[in-house]
Order: sequence, then structure tokens, then C-alpha cells
Amino acid sequence: DIQMTQSPPVLSASVGDRVTLSCKASQNINKNLDWYQQKHGEAPKLLIYYTNNLQTGIPSRFSGSGSGTDYTLTISSLQPEDVATYYCYQYNSGLTFGSGTKLEIK
Amino acid sequence: EVQLVESGGGLVQPGRSLKLSCAASGFTFSNYGMAWVRQTPTKGLEWVASISTGGGNTYYRDSVKGRFTISRDNAKNTQYLQMDSLRSEDTATYYCARHPFGYGGSLDYWGQGVMVTVSS
Repeated sequence: DIQMTQSPPVLSASVGDRVTLSCKASQNINKNLDWYQQKHGEAPKLLIYYTNNLQTGIPSRFSGSGSGTDYTLTISSLQPEDVATYYCYQYNSGLTFGSGTKLEIK
Repeated sequence: EVQLVESGGGLVQPGRSLKLSCAASGFTFSNYGMAWVRQTPTKGLEWVASISTGGGNTYYRDSVKGRFTISRDNAKNTQYLQMDSLRSEDTATYYCARHPFGYGGSLDYWGQGVMVTVSS
């Protein structure tokens, strides 16, 4: 099974900061990776699909990049409503989620 | 507007069965693969099962194979998860989700989730 490791587990940043969240796969996943946002008490929401494609309705401050085993979600200017846990998810072989990065406002 | 509404959760004893339903609306249900994903505080998000558009292809995580059955009724715009021989480790919030591309991959819409507690 492919393991997905997210870092850091918790990230605290200020409003307006550029924020980078990382996800590392245990083997090459050929860009078959999504990012999901889950706010407290809500279901996960798709933000980015196939590494760098912004889902309809998602603000352009969110972007994704990566290849091989290393992937990144970037928020260009952190907003208060971005407080959430963010999960990466691979579908290259099986379907597995990372353990999440909890994003807080400083 | 796409909506997925789960039902059927609750408290059940180990070894017993439970059947979850997911009613879909706002899109042509028969055109999309569907999935169940569960979440616990300790294990996080886990994909459980997926089903193809017509129901002919199903896929399961290893830990539920032989115990859980995913199915769908396209005439009723509903998918199901029959859970048998339940274990304490199946305790979780179960989400219904839609695969926008085939019956694997991304999950673009999710329901609000339903809680399943397996305990004596």
C-alpha cells in the first residue's frame, strides 16, 4: 500500500502569509493526487485535483504542484476562513489519504 | 445543486449488521461512480469501497472485504453500504462521495456523514 506523509502536522500562520503544506508518497504516484479541505464539523471538500487543477468555485489563492513522490499545496495569502485540516489523497495505486495538516491562525 | 444525504447509522453490537443509504440529487446519478469513505479521530480518513456507474464493478479496502457490500439502485438514485460482522474498529463517521471520473480517483462531492458506533 502507498503511504502518504503530510508535514507539518500543525501549522500556525498569520493572515496574509504565504503558506505551504507538504505531502510525500512512499512511491511515485504520477501526479495522481488531490487536496481536500475539512473545516470543523464539516465533510471534506475537494480543492485541487490531479496535482494542480483548481476545483470549480475554489479561490485562486489555492494552488498545487509536485511530481513523483513530493507534492505541495500553497495558499498565497492566508485568510481567516482557511482555518481547517488539509488532506492529500492519492489514487495511483489504491486510494489512500494522508494524515492531515491542521492549519491555524496565529 | 448536487446533494448526497446519508442515513442508516447508529449504535450496533459487534458481529451484527447495519445498512447505510446515500440518496443523491442534483445530477444524473447513473453517470457517476460512487464511494464510501470513513473517518475516525485515530485513523483519519479511509476509503472504504467504490462502485462503478452500473454497479458491475466494486472495490473494497482489504479490512472490509467479505464483510461489507457496496451496491446502488440507479432508478432510486441511491447507493448503499451493507455492513456485516461489524467490529469495534468499524466505528467511524461514514461519508458518501461521488467519483467525477470513473469509479476511482477524485471525490468531488461528499455527504454530511453518518455516525456508526459498534459497541456492546
